[in-house]
Amino acid sequence: EAGVTQSPTHLIKTRGQQATLRCSPISGHTSVYWYQQALGLGLQFLLWYDEGEERNRGNFPPRFSGRQFPNYSSELNVNALELEDSALYLCASSLGQGSTGELFFGEGSRLTVL
Amino acid sequence: SQQGEEDPQALSIQEGENATMNCSYKTSINNLQWYRQNSGRGLVHLILIRSNEREKHSGRLRVTLDTSKKSSSLLITASRAADTASYFCATDSGSNYKLTFGKGTLLTVNP
Repeated sequence: EAGVTQSPTHLIKTRGQQATLRCSPISGHTSVYWYQQALGLGLQFLLWYDEGEERNRGNFPPRFSGRQFPNYSSELNVNALELEDSALYLCASSLGQGSTGELFFGEGSRLTVL
Repeated sequence: SQQGEEDPQALSIQEGENATMNCSYKTSINNLQWYRQNSGRGLVHLILIRSNEREKHSGRLRVTLDTSKKSSSLLITASRAADTASYFCATDSGSNYKLTFGKGTLLTVNP
C-alpha cells in the first residue's frame, strides 16, 4: 500500500513568487496535516484538513493557505515568497477527525527561496 | 510555540551503548508520541504512550511518561549505527487536535 506522497521533491523559487506543494494521503485517511521544518526550528504546525474542511491553523500569515480535495489529497500554497520560507514542508495523514493515533509522514518537499 | 522540548539537543554514543532522551511539555496531554527522522527526510512514528500509561516497550525502545512532572523519556537499548537520526517527541493536547513537536534530539551512534 502506498504511503503519503508529496510533490515536488525540490522546488526553487525567487522572492515574491508563489509555490504550490501537493500531498496524497494514505488510502482511507481523511485528515491531512502540513508542517514546516526550517533549519534549527523544529517542526512548526501549519494546517490541518479533514473531510475537505480546514480544522486548525498554526501561527502563520495568511499567505500560507491550502485546501483539501474530495479525494482527500491536499495542496499547500505559499504566496509572496520570502527568504525565510525556505524549509522542508512535510505532509502527514491520519484517520479522521478526533483520531489521536500516529501521523504518517511523506518525505517532504524542500522549498528554496532565492 | 513548542509544547515539547527534548533534552539533550545532541547525543553521541558508541554502538552497543544505551541512549536516553528526555522530553518536557507544558500543558496536559491526551498522549505523547516519539518520532524518528533520518537526515532531511520524513518522520517515522516509533511509539505512542497515553496519559494513563506510565511505561511502554517496543523492541529496543522503552518510553516512560510522568504526567505529574510533565515529562517523558525514550530509551534505546543496545544502540546501532543505524539508529543515528533525530528523535522528536510530540504531544496531543486534544485541543482542535494537532500534534505539537519539540525541536528534537540528534543522536549519533558511532560504530
